[in-house]
This record gives sequence, structure tokens and C-alpha cells, in this order.
Amino acid sequence: DVKVTQSSRYLVKRTGEKVFLECVQDMDHENMFWYRQDPGLGLRLIYFSYDVKMKEKGDIPEGYSVSREKKERFSLILESASTNQTSMYLCASSVDRLNTEAFFGQGTRLTVV
Amino acid sequence: AQKITQTQPGMFVQEKEAVTLDCTYDTSDPSYGLFWYKQPSSGEMIFLIYQGSYDQQNATEGRYSLNFQKARKSANLVISASQLGDSAMYFCAMREDSGNTPLVFGKGTRLSVIA
Repeated sequence: DVKVTQSSRYLVKRTGEKVFLECVQDMDHENMFWYRQDPGLGLRLIYFSYDVKMKEKGDIPEGYSVSREKKERFSLILESASTNQTSMYLCASSVDRLNTEAFFGQGTRLTVV
Repeated sequence: AQKITQTQPGMFVQEKEAVTLDCTYDTSDPSYGLFWYKQPSSGEMIFLIYQGSYDQQNATEGRYSLNFQKARKSANLVISASQLGDSAMYFCAMREDSGNTPLVFGKGTRLSVIA
């Protein structure tokens, strides 16, 4: 089975802290994605990566950065956490073929206080 | 511009009845894929069904079928014989085929199945 693992299920951080959310997939997928999910807003794409060291901004990249040094790992970084970044964060990965689904991690619920 | 539109924030359906969840999309790419995911209260994202833009027939997977109307740019999910376990959020998503494009989602529809 494909496995996408996010490092934490729940996280509480203070305003201004630098926060790292880690995501690891074990199926050699080319594509990896970071979304945030908020009630009524669905899943909004923050960043995605289609290869090692390659990244593309999604719809809401402000306040975030990413790192993909190895194919299996895609990290989301909140440079200076703010309360409006309190959300559920979902990582996903997929093969680079149109007709294949993306696989999701279990999500990280981040609270910034 | 929003590429995926789900106009029904919430839906109710009686157990054993069929229900249709609406999804419209916007793209100028002739080649694209459409996906539906289910998210129960546990939070996991479960892939349900896929439709390619060049597929001649509507996709079906068990009780799920996708009513694909290309000219209208709609990809509605039909769930037949609803069960209590179908109560969840449902998301429509699309990926265009023109190189290094992401999977984009709609805002979702919350389905509640009533006994």
C-alpha cells in the first residue's frame, strides 16, 4: 500500500515561531503537494513539487515556503507562524500520470496561539 | 479564477435513495482528469472515482458513478442506494494534462444520510 506519512497529527505553536511540517511518501512518486483545509473553503493548494528541488506556488503561498531535497520528503515551512495559519494541513503525493489518483497523509492540525 | 465549483455546501438524502453531488469545472486544456474524493469525519481522504476527458463512457465504481457532460463542463457524482456510512464531505478535483500541473479541489459538499 502507498503510504504518505505526516510527522505530526496535532501541533500547537506560538506566534512568530518557525514551524516545520514534514511529509514522507514511500512509493517513489514524482509529485507532492501541500494543501490547507478550512471549513467552507475546501482544500487550497499552498505549494507543489514535481521533482526534487523543483517547486511551484499554489493558490495561497504567502507566509509559507517548501523544501524538497529528497524525492520522498516534502517539507512545509511557516517562516513566522501567525494565528491565521491555524488550520488542517494535508500532504499528498502522486505519480506523474494523469489518470492516477493522489494519495493523502492523515493531516496535521496546527494551532497557532 | 476558481477551476472547480461545487455549489451545494450540504445535502441530505434518505438511506437507500440515490443522490447526485454537483461539480462543474473550468479549463481550456483539451486533456484533463476529474476525481472525486470522500472525507469522513475521521479526516482521511479516500479516492472514489476518476474520469478522463477523452473517456467515451461515464466512469463507474460500485455504487459510485460519474455523470460526465463534457460540453457543459460538469462531472457530477452519483451515489446509488445511499448508506449511513456515506455521510461525509465529498470533494471534486481536476488535474490538467499540460505539464507539471497540480490537482485542484472544489470547496466540497457535506452529505448527510438519514435513516
